[in-house]
Amino acid sequence: DIQMTQSPSALSASVGDRVTITCRASQSIRNLLAWYQQKPGKAPKLLIYQASSLESGVPSRFSGSGSGTEFTLTVSSLQPDDFATYYCQHYNGFPPTFGGGTKVEIK
Amino acid sequence: QAQLEESGGRVVQPGTSLRLSCAASGFTFRGYGMHWVRQAPGKGLEWVAFVSFDGNNKYYGDSVKGRFTISRDNSRNTLSLQMNSLRPEDTAVYYCAKDPWKAFSTSSYFDSWGQGSLVTVSS
Repeated sequence: DIQMTQSPSALSASVGDRVTITCRASQSIRNLLAWYQQKPGKAPKLLIYQASSLESGVPSRFSGSGSGTEFTLTVSSLQPDDFATYYCQHYNGFPPTFGGGTKVEIK
Repeated sequence: QAQLEESGGRVVQPGTSLRLSCAASGFTFRGYGMHWVRQAPGKGLEWVAFVSFDGNNKYYGDSVKGRFTISRDNSRNTLSLQMNSLRPEDTAVYYCAKDPWKAFSTSSYFDSWGQGSLVTVSS
């Protein structure tokens, strides 16, 4: 199975900060990577698919990049609603696997 | 807008069985593959199972293979997960999630999620 490793596991940031989360795959997954946002007690929400395509309705401050084994999710200017846990997920075949998550907390 | 609503989660004893259901609306259910994804308390996300749009193709995670069965009823817009021989490590919130593709694909992400149903396996 393909292993997905996210870093950092947690970070503290202020409103307005630029935040970057990294996701690494144990082997090439081309650009078959999605990013999700999850708030406490809620279901995950799709943000990005195909490594850099923004899901409809997701604010443009979210962006994704990368291919092969290294990917990043960037929030250009962190807003109060963005404090949450973020997960990456590969979909280069079954089983699809998730990274361990990155919790973004208020500094 | 796809809507998914899980039901059936409860507290059960180890070794017993439980069936989860997911009612779908707001999209053409019979046209899309469907998944179950779970999340143990305080932990990350784990994909559990997939069924293709027509029910003919099914895939399972290694941790549930041979114990769980995914199925769907396209006439009732319902997805199910039959869970047998439950273990304490199966304790989790179980989400049903929709595949984005209108055809069978082994490259799946999840574009809509239900609110989740909590299964607790404890004696």
